[in-house]
Amino acid sequence: DSGVTQTPKHLITATGQRVTLRCSPRSGDLSVYWYQQSLDQGLQFLIQYYNGEERAKGNILERFSAQQFPDLHSELNLSSLELGDSALYFCASSALRQAGTEAFFGQGTRLTVV
Amino acid sequence: QQQVKQSPQSLIVQKGGIPIINCAYENTAFDYFPWYQQFPGKGPALLIAIRPDVSEKKEGRFTISFNKSAKQFSLHIMDSQPGDSATYFCAASASGANNLFFGTGTRLTVIP
Repeated sequence: DSGVTQTPKHLITATGQRVTLRCSPRSGDLSVYWYQQSLDQGLQFLIQYYNGEERAKGNILERFSAQQFPDLHSELNLSSLELGDSALYFCASSALRQAGTEAFFGQGTRLTVV
Repeated sequence: QQQVKQSPQSLIVQKGGIPIINCAYENTAFDYFPWYQQFPGKGPALLIAIRPDVSEKKEGRFTISFNKSAKQFSLHIMDSQPGDSATYFCAASASGANNLFFGTGTRLTVIP
């Protein structure tokens, strides 16, 4: 158990809908990262928050947004969903702001858009 | 654009064999190179990591070899076991950066 909790584990929704994925980082970790994992793209970095502030953006679509709350949990909001958004979404947390320290991954949320 | 290129895509070895997974990168600013192991239905877990000031690092049966001039690094698994069957990802990041760039993964199968 990595200590990172993601909910829900599975989500099935229709195209055009909006969903929210939730992540609770390891106790004491201030950095939260979101990754998308699809079969042909591997793990793609979406966005990072550190202590409530956005720190880095990767290949995140404009239809997607995220935030980190004062209790350090994070939510990833996906809207106007398309079939191609079906993927595993992982949250990871680490203690420090920079990369180069161990990032702990949650078990992921499998999103299926039908 | 894939910042870290990983090969092979899949690998099958007999128990006791030494699978080797290779990764290459272009960004010379990268200075942290971890390997992650992922089992089905689980998130990736850090296996071993190396920084470019050393050419090799061993942890148990897992060894990273690093070639800074060639901008390549590889994972060797000694005396592989069926329990090592998983997907392995290499990754890289740069100091001051905030995210890991992952390779596309290698699905390893160790046959008993």
